[in-house]
Amino acid sequence: NAGVTQTPKFRVLKTGQSMTLLCAQDMNHEYMYWYRQDPGMGLRLIHYSVGEGTTAKGEVPDGYNVSRLKKQNFLLGLESAAPSQTSVYFCASRPGLAEQYFGPGTRLTVT
Amino acid sequence: QQQVKQSPQSLIVQKGGISIINCAYENTAFDYFPWYQQFPGKGPALLIAIRPDVSEKKEGRFTISFNKSAKQFSLHIMDSQPGDSATYFCAPTGSTLTFGKGTMLLVSP
Repeated sequence: NAGVTQTPKFRVLKTGQSMTLLCAQDMNHEYMYWYRQDPGMGLRLIHYSVGEGTTAKGEVPDGYNVSRLKKQNFLLGLESAAPSQTSVYFCASRPGLAEQYFGPGTRLTVT
Repeated sequence: QQQVKQSPQSLIVQKGGISIINCAYENTAFDYFPWYQQFPGKGPALLIAIRPDVSEKKEGRFTISFNKSAKQFSLHIMDSQPGDSATYFCAPTGSTLTFGKGTMLLVSP
């Protein structure tokens, strides 16, 4: 099993550009999450999904959109990137009331 | 409103010493209490977790102590090693979960 994978690993965007981050998990988990991690801020939840076709807002959803068309994939979109979205993005999944499994992260820089 | 308070923010411990990290929470609906470990450039990974029906759980050098009435749980790392140098997060969990802001642990040789 590959676990949780994230694509791409690194990306540099100019202000105003758009992009999509892909998260894939092969563990048949129902719950999936997108976090951003900034120095001194810990992990902040952007959006999450409790099952295929469902999404919900987390703590810091503004400027991001998500989709979960297939159970194994959770996409995070930035429609118009801003420098404030420079961060490391982590995807995670979990089967239920148990541990989260994290991906390796995507380092995004917006100039 | 801060639901989870983790302390200290950073910690320096001599090799062989005991590292202690604390987590206080407000939501009494949490019923799974994990600690995650994160090395630089990597995603967090579960280190140890406890359910509220026990007050302590030990796995090797790592112990969780849980105080339900005080709404606190802590991570103890015995005989701390340089390889334990990492950032540690508590993440009390129920239907929702909230991460603490993290503790950077440095174990000096």
